[in-house]
Amino acid sequence: AQSVTQPDIHITVSEGASLELRCNYSYGATPYLFWYVQSPGQGLQLLLKYFSGDTLVQGIKGFEAEFKRSQSSFNLRKPSVHWSDAAEYFCAAIAGGTSYGKLTFGQGTILTVHP
Amino acid sequence: NAGVTQTPKFQVLKTGQSMTLQCAQDMNHEYMSWYRQDPGMGLRLIHYSVGAGITDQGEVPNGYNVSRSTTEDFPLRLLSAAPSQTSVYFCASSSPGQGLHEQYFGPGTRLTVT
Repeated sequence: AQSVTQPDIHITVSEGASLELRCNYSYGATPYLFWYVQSPGQGLQLLLKYFSGDTLVQGIKGFEAEFKRSQSSFNLRKPSVHWSDAAEYFCAAIAGGTSYGKLTFGQGTILTVHP
Repeated sequence: NAGVTQTPKFQVLKTGQSMTLQCAQDMNHEYMSWYRQDPGMGLRLIHYSVGAGITDQGEVPNGYNVSRSTTEDFPLRLLSAAPSQTSVYFCASSSPGQGLHEQYFGPGTRLTVT
């Protein structure tokens, strides 16, 4: 079955430190990949997406993600975290073909930022 | 554009009551979906639609009905609410011609069933 896994439920970093959130997927073929962020009580905001081509993808708010086919991973990174980055982060995927509208989400990673 | 709108924002139901969560989009998107969000489980697909008159089940469809009579609207019906349906519900829309599968989410409806 198709699945997306975020191994880390909760991560705590200090403000100014670097960040990496992990995401692994299990699909027959490379899916379309996304990272979303959700602030408390809010909806989901798209940070970045990967469809094909360059494996390093730049997103909004200074985030980037690297697609690694050999590891079935799509990890999210930020060089220097700000207190406002505290939120829950979701990795998600859609298979190609007839899977339109059918996102599969990971369990989410809650990011806490210490001053 | 208002994007994807959902009403109501909050709702409390008693077990056994029925209600409809409304979702509308003004982007002329073909695809619309309903997800529920529960702590530690991410978002799970309930039902989706690839166009007016066409719907299909997602991962967790039991207890929910949908219909799509227009491109703009995709209501989600709870026929007999159960405490297990306490959750936050998100509606989303997308179009393969715009942003290639990128889904646009509504603000969510927080539902409590007592």
